[in-house]
This record gives sequence, C-alpha cells and structure tokens, in this order.
Amino acid sequence: KQEVTQIPAALSVPEGENLVLNCSFTDSAIYNLQWFRQDPGKGLTSLLLIQSSQREQTSGRLNASLDKSSGRSTLYIAASQPGDSATYLCAGTTDSWGKLQFGAGTQVVVTP
Amino acid sequence: GAGVSQSPSNKVTEKGKDVELRCDPISGHTALYWYRQSLGQGLEFLIYFQGNSAPDKSGLPSDRFSAERTGGSVSTLTIQRTQQEDSAVYLCASSLLNEQFFGPGTRLTVL
Repeated sequence: KQEVTQIPAALSVPEGENLVLNCSFTDSAIYNLQWFRQDPGKGLTSLLLIQSSQREQTSGRLNASLDKSSGRSTLYIAASQPGDSATYLCAGTTDSWGKLQFGAGTQVVVTP
Repeated sequence: GAGVSQSPSNKVTEKGKDVELRCDPISGHTALYWYRQSLGQGLEFLIYFQGNSAPDKSGLPSDRFSAERTGGSVSTLTIQRTQQEDSAVYLCASSLLNEQFFGPGTRLTVL
C-alpha cells in the first residue's frame, strides 16, 4: 500500500519568503502526483498535477517537482503572501484512474 | 463552468439513522470518487466509479456504506445505521483525465 508522508506538519514564515513543502511516498510506481490547497472548512483546490511522464509543473508562483526514483515531490511557492496561508496536501495514484492516497498535509501560515 | 457540487453542506443526525449524501460531478467527467476526511484518519478513499465499469469499493469501511451513480452523473453515498465514528467531512471528486476536482464536502455529525 502506498504511504504518503508530508514534512513539515506545520510551517510559519514571514511574507516574502519562499516556501518549500516536501512529500515522500513509499511506492516508486506512482503514476500521478497532485498537490492541493485546503482552506479551513472548505474543500480541496487542485494546484498542480504532475503526470506519469512529467518531472515538474509550474503555475505562476508555484512549482512542483517529482522524482520517482527517490520517492519525493517538492512544492515551491515563491515570494509567499498572507493569502497563501492554508493546508497543502499532496496525493498520488498508482494508475491513471486510481484513487488518490493522501499525505496528512502541511499547515502553512504566512505572517504579514 | 460549474464545479463539483455536494448537498447538503451540513448534516446532523442521530445515531442509528440512515443518511444520504449527494454529489453532482462536473458535466462530462466520467470518473467520480468519494473520500472521507476525519481528524484521526486524514483523507481516505471510499469508492470510485469509472464510466460503466464496476465501481471500486475497496475503501468502504463497512457494509453500512454504499454508493450508486445514476446515469453516469449524480452519485449518492448512503450510510445506514449511522455511528458516531461516521462523523467526518465527506468529499466528492470528479475527473475526466487524471486530474481530480473536489467539491466543498458534506460535514456529517452523528450525535
């Protein structure tokens, strides 16, 4: 069974600093890796999807990389803003239609 | 366009009652997933439907849980004889190709 771990569990940074969030998984046979954001009391917002043949994806200030051989993905958020405060979750599948296996998330607070 | 919608947003029920939770996926999405988010267990998969294939029910925690998807669109998750440990946020997601999009969830509280 795929196990997904996110480190750190919580992170607090001043506005303007870059954020680095880590995700590791036990099964290198990961197919897709998806990063989500969750605001308190809300559902999940998809941020980036790294598909099986890709190694990274970028959207605005966000960049996510995937290294299957080491079982790791990293989400970088450049020049953090208070609006980036949320819980960030990574999740992987082992096939194109498969269920997502989630990490426990990293709670991020960006202070003005 | 419209995203995934779920109803009700909140449901409070008494132990032993049955509840039905509804999910309307994004139009045209062929895959539909149910997940549960609880404080002790994090986010866990429950069941998934893909087109006309038999659903993957491997995540359902007990036979009190069932789900159906009618006409390849709307899905209903039913919990029979609810227990306090069923209290959680139930999230629905849909997908066309790889990327899953989530609804706002239904918060279920069993008293």
